[in-house]
Amino acid sequence: AQSVAQPEDQVNVAEGNPLTVKCTYSVSGNPYLFWYVQYPNRGLQFLLKYITGDNLVKGSYGFEAEFNKSQTSFHLKKPSALVSDSALYFCAVRVLSGYALNFGKGTSLLVTP
Amino acid sequence: EAQVTQNPRYLITVTGKKLTVTCSQNMNHEYMSWYRQDPGLGLRQIYYSMNVEVTDKGDVPEGYKVSRKEKRNFPLILESPSPNQTSLYFCASRGSDTWQYFGPGTRLTVT
Repeated sequence: AQSVAQPEDQVNVAEGNPLTVKCTYSVSGNPYLFWYVQYPNRGLQFLLKYITGDNLVKGSYGFEAEFNKSQTSFHLKKPSALVSDSALYFCAVRVLSGYALNFGKGTSLLVTP
Repeated sequence: EAQVTQNPRYLITVTGKKLTVTCSQNMNHEYMSWYRQDPGLGLRQIYYSMNVEVTDKGDVPEGYKVSRKEKRNFPLILESPSPNQTSLYFCASRGSDTWQYFGPGTRLTVT
């Protein structure tokens, strides 16, 4: 079985400060890991992925994520938050050989001016 | 423009009245899936399809049906909707890229 945990329902950060949205995963085998963002009244948009290789992956809108195999984590980060980054963020995992994509419950990010 | 479209975007219906939510993608993707999103539960997969005429259950398939007669379309059918199926529904597709493209969502209310 595979699963994803996002331990924080909400993350609050001031504009200009660094942000981290946490994600841990459980999977048998090598994982594909993803971050998606959902803006109000919109569908999910792909941000970035980890498949293999460099543990630090860069994605859209200045976001990056660090894969840590020993801690089974894939935290989303951004050096300097923008108010426009306020949205709902989902971490997801898929086994390389599988089709099902399991999502976390989502973390609401609020960036205040 | 590569996209996944869903119709309708909003739907209010009554218990027991059959409905279909359509999903179409223009990227020639083989893999398509349906999710429902509920507060505090994230996205849960309802059904998925690996190709035409190949479908399988996801995590929460009860009360739903799907069909995949053409590669581009993957409709979700609720034969007898109930209030616990009130939710936000997303269709998604995936090709050789590893990530999924999501539709804009359908907000369904069953009274």
